[in-house]
Amino acid sequence: DAKTTQPTSMDCAEGRAANLPCNHSTISGNEYVYWYRQIHSQGPQYIIHGLKNNETNEMASLIITEDRKSSTLILPHATLRDTAVYYCIVRVGRGSTLGRLYFGRGTQLTVWP
Amino acid sequence: NAGVMQNPRHLVRRRGQEARLRCSPMKGHSHVYWYRQLPEEGLKFMVYLQKENIIDESGMPKERFSAEFPKEGPSILRIQQVVRGDSAAYFCASSLQTERIGQVNTEAFFGQGTRLTVV
Repeated sequence: DAKTTQPTSMDCAEGRAANLPCNHSTISGNEYVYWYRQIHSQGPQYIIHGLKNNETNEMASLIITEDRKSSTLILPHATLRDTAVYYCIVRVGRGSTLGRLYFGRGTQLTVWP
Repeated sequence: NAGVMQNPRHLVRRRGQEARLRCSPMKGHSHVYWYRQLPEEGLKFMVYLQKENIIDESGMPKERFSAEFPKEGPSILRIQQVVRGDSAAYFCASSLQTERIGQVNTEAFFGQGTRLTVV
């Protein structure tokens, strides 16, 4: 699976949008971009994933650049409960195992009041 | 629909004892994955199991660690003769079958983990 690069930490004011970047310059055509987060002492929580089109769900939006070498996770209105470590993971889609994930160090997002 | 259930949530063992960690996957999920998270580190894959089969154990330490997922009952991660370095959070995840052509891509769901402390 391709490697990803994320900033170590980011801050965001409550109510503002949190934009978390991820670089995955060696991504292959059949690899998806997944985002998980881990709130302190809890299990990782799935957020969103995409292949090449932008995606949106009730939690977040995922913007993938046209060349697919980078992406941005957007939390449109961050709350204090969004404080967590956010992991950007690139995973082969077809034929691969859904739970075989390579977690890097992630980005520690701190939302302040 | 209950999520992935792990028990116990906290486990304390003395050096040399055995630790047994249990994971009940989400209903309908037949694939289970175990991860370990050492203090201040990211999650590391340990083993991937389907019912009665170990599919990928490339992340498992060669000694003292074993995992099973029997036909009936939860998946068990077993650590024999625990040492202080085994102190960590152990997470289990479950998923549906592997993705196949034409299948809608899906995701794995994680439990809340078991925190093992070796004293």
